[in-house]
Amino acid sequence: DIQMTQSPSSLSVFVGDRVTITCRASQGISDYLAWFQQKPGKAPKSLIYDASRLQSGVPSKFSGSGFGTEFTLTIISLQPEDVGTYYCQQYDSYPLTFGGGTKVEIK
Amino acid sequence: QVQLVESGGGVVQTGRSLRLSCAASGFSFSNFAMHWVRQAPGKGLEWVAVIAYDGSTQYYADSVKGRFYISRDNSKNTLYLQMNSLRPDDMAVYYCVKSQQRPVAGKSFDFWGQGTLVPVSS
Repeated sequence: DIQMTQSPSSLSVFVGDRVTITCRASQGISDYLAWFQQKPGKAPKSLIYDASRLQSGVPSKFSGSGFGTEFTLTIISLQPEDVGTYYCQQYDSYPLTFGGGTKVEIK
Repeated sequence: QVQLVESGGGVVQTGRSLRLSCAASGFSFSNFAMHWVRQAPGKGLEWVAVIAYDGSTQYYADSVKGRFYISRDNSKNTLYLQMNSLRPDDMAVYYCVKSQQRPVAGKSFDFWGQGTLVPVSS
């Protein structure tokens, strides 16, 4: 199975800050990488697929990059509504696997 | 708009069975692969199973293989998860998730249901 490792596991930032979350795959997955946002008490929401493509309706403040084993999710100018946990996921091969999540909070 | 509404959750005893349903609307259900993903209380996301658009192919997580079975009825726009021999570590919110396209391989998710809670009591 492909292991997905996210870092950091949590971060606390000021409103307006730029946030960067890293996701590493235990083996190469091309660009078969997705990012999801889960707000407290809610179902996850799909943000990015194919490492860098935004899902329909997702604001351009979110961006993704990477290929192979190293990937990044960036949120520019974090706002209170962006608080939640972010997960990466590989869909290169089954079983599909998620990273452990990164909890983003406001200072 | 796309809607995925799960049902069938509820308290169940260890060793018993339960069937979850997911009613889909707002898209051509028979043209998309579908997944189940679960989340234990306070934990991260765990992929459970996928089924091809026509039901011809299924894959499962090792943790549920041989106990859980995913199926679909395209005439009813409904996805199912039959869960047998339930264990305490199966306790989770179960989400129905739509794939972006028909193939089971190489495609991400786009829409998630609101989830249904399955508490397992010992």
